Amino acid sequence: AQSVTQPDIHITVSEGASLELRCNYSYGATPYLFWYVQSPGQGLQLLLKYFSGDTLVQGIKGFEAEFKRSQSSFNLRKPSVHWSDAAEYFCAVGAEGGSYIPTFGRGTSLIVHP
Amino acid sequence: DAGVIQSPRHEVTEMGQEVTLRCKPISGHNSLFWYRQTMMRGLELLIYFNNNVPIDDSGMPEDRFSAKMPNASFSTLKIQPSEPRDSAVYFCATAGGTGELFFGEGSRLTVL
Repeated sequence: AQSVTQPDIHITVSEGASLELRCNYSYGATPYLFWYVQSPGQGLQLLLKYFSGDTLVQGIKGFEAEFKRSQSSFNLRKPSVHWSDAAEYFCAVGAEGGSYIPTFGRGTSLIVHP
Repeated sequence: DAGVIQSPRHEVTEMGQEVTLRCKPISGHNSLFWYRQTMMRGLELLIYFNNNVPIDDSGMPEDRFSAKMPNASFSTLKIQPSEPRDSAVYFCATAGGTGELFFGEGSRLTVL
């Protein structure tokens, strides 16, 4: 069965600092990988996704993530964090095929200090 | 497209009452998911429909919960009778085959 681990429950950074949110997955084949962001009172919104090809993927709002098969990781990065990036971030893994059901991690709460 | 539309956005009810949450998916999306989000358990998949047919309802907590998708443009999640431990934010999400989920803004349920 597929699973996702986000080791950090909370991350605190200063505005302008770089950010890396960790995600490790467990899946037997090549996974589909996603990062979603949830602002307070809102649903989840897709930041970026990896299906195949280039292992460094670019997303919206200046985020990027790198797929590392050897480490079973898909960490999310941003070079300079803005106060508006404060939100909950979810990593998800999915499977190819007709019965696609994504599995979400528990989320990492990002706190941004001015 | 207006996105996934959920109603009501907020519901406060008393224990024992019936609760019905509604979802209008994005037109053309053939997969629909109901999730529940709480601080304790995070995001839990309750049930998943494909082409209006329930595929996996193993996440439905108990018989008090039921979900239907009578057509491609409407789904409901019903709790009867409701209990305080059902208090949560319930999300509907749809997918069109690319793997990406599109979430509604959620229905926040409080059961007193």
